[in-house]
Amino acid sequence: AQSVSQHNHHVILSEAASLELGCNYSYGGTVNLFWYVQYPGQHLQLLLKYFSGDPLVKGIKGFEAEFIKSKFSFNLRKPSVQWSDTAEYFCAVIITDSWGKLQFGAGTQVVVTP
Amino acid sequence: EPEVTQTPSHQVTQMGQEVILRCVPISNHLYFYWYRQILGQKVEFLVSFYNNEISEKSEIFDDQFSVERPDGSNFTLKIRSTKLEDSAMYFCASTEEGAVNTEAFFGQGTRLTVV
Repeated sequence: AQSVSQHNHHVILSEAASLELGCNYSYGGTVNLFWYVQYPGQHLQLLLKYFSGDPLVKGIKGFEAEFIKSKFSFNLRKPSVQWSDTAEYFCAVIITDSWGKLQFGAGTQVVVTP
Repeated sequence: EPEVTQTPSHQVTQMGQEVILRCVPISNHLYFYWYRQILGQKVEFLVSFYNNEISEKSEIFDDQFSVERPDGSNFTLKIRSTKLEDSAMYFCASTEEGAVNTEAFFGQGTRLTVV
């Protein structure tokens, strides 16, 4: 069965530190890849997405992600986090022969301390 | 900016009662979805809906669940006889025509508590 794995459940880091969140998926076909963020008390918001083309994608708020097809990975990065980046981050995949169904990873709770 | 709206934001119901969760997708979107997130667990797909019928549903979406688009703007999820394990955050989402290469927009969710 297809699945999405996020490597860390909780990450605590200080402001200005670099962040990298791992995401791997298990599906051999064509996929669309997403990172969503959920700030406390808010809805899921799209950070960035990959459909095709340049495997390094840039999203909002200084986030970027790299799609490595050979590793089935789509890791999220930010060079220097801020306190306002405290949130839960979800990697998600659409298998392109589905009806747009998103399969989510378990999420990573990121806490940025001042 | 257009957004998906969900009502109510919180719902408490007794076990065995029926609940209806409401969603208003973005007006020009054609694909609609329900997801849920049990506390501490991942976001799970429940059902997708296109052209007034279910296009896909998960194993979770059993006979006690149903969806409807009653009036061209609302998209509802009904749980006929709620169980304790139905307690979760329920998210509605919608996408434009073409279910791939497009972004899903999510509502703020309805927190359902079954007591």
